[in-house]
Amino acid sequence: GAVVSQHPSRVICKSGTSVKIECRSLDFQATTMFWYRQFPKKSLMLMATSNEGSKATYEQGVEKDKFLINHASLTLSTLTVTSAHPEDSSFYICSARDLGGLQYFGPGTRLTVT
Amino acid sequence: AQSVTQPDIHITVSEGASLELRCNYSYGATPYLFWYVQSPGQGLQLLLKYFSGDTLVQGIKGFEAEFKRSQSSFNLRKPSVHWSDAAEYFCAVDLDYGGSQGNLIFGKGTKLSVKP
Repeated sequence: GAVVSQHPSRVICKSGTSVKIECRSLDFQATTMFWYRQFPKKSLMLMATSNEGSKATYEQGVEKDKFLINHASLTLSTLTVTSAHPEDSSFYICSARDLGGLQYFGPGTRLTVT
Repeated sequence: AQSVTQPDIHITVSEGASLELRCNYSYGATPYLFWYVQSPGQGLQLLLKYFSGDTLVQGIKGFEAEFKRSQSSFNLRKPSVHWSDAAEYFCAVDLDYGGSQGNLIFGKGTKLSVKP
């Protein structure tokens, strides 16, 4: 089956620094990738849709200047959390959509901002 | 607004017992329906999906789900639960499958605990 990886799986950073999370589709090409955020005991909330070669589309309430998304190739999308603050601590999950339209999810990245 | 409701936050069943997790959606048309499972600290794994046709769909790990249009429901079932089934289960609706935007809407999830 289709596999999506995320790196790193866990990251701890200091407040004010930036963190980059990578999402890769390992065995298929994904023109569209998605970034979700999951709070403890909460559902997944879509943050943005990332289309290869174009600007990401952000959901209402998501700061595009804070959460920078780059989808430079058909197998890689990155999410950079800039000037991170403790309230940005969360579990970030990406997904990649195959040509059939099905989303495959990565294992997630646990971000802790101290 | 479109929404997905999973009325049960936490369910505990005994190993070997049957399981039913409820899911209701609010949407004018018949959406594309999914059930995902998430183990602690992990991403989501697709259990099964319904697009059209037979309203009873079979998934992985012995799970099945039945789409009932009249009730706007898509309940997940398993006849005999195993301890390894303990996880968080999410029902989801895709309003624009394959479209240009991400329209996968998740329910809040149901945590399944399994008693030995």
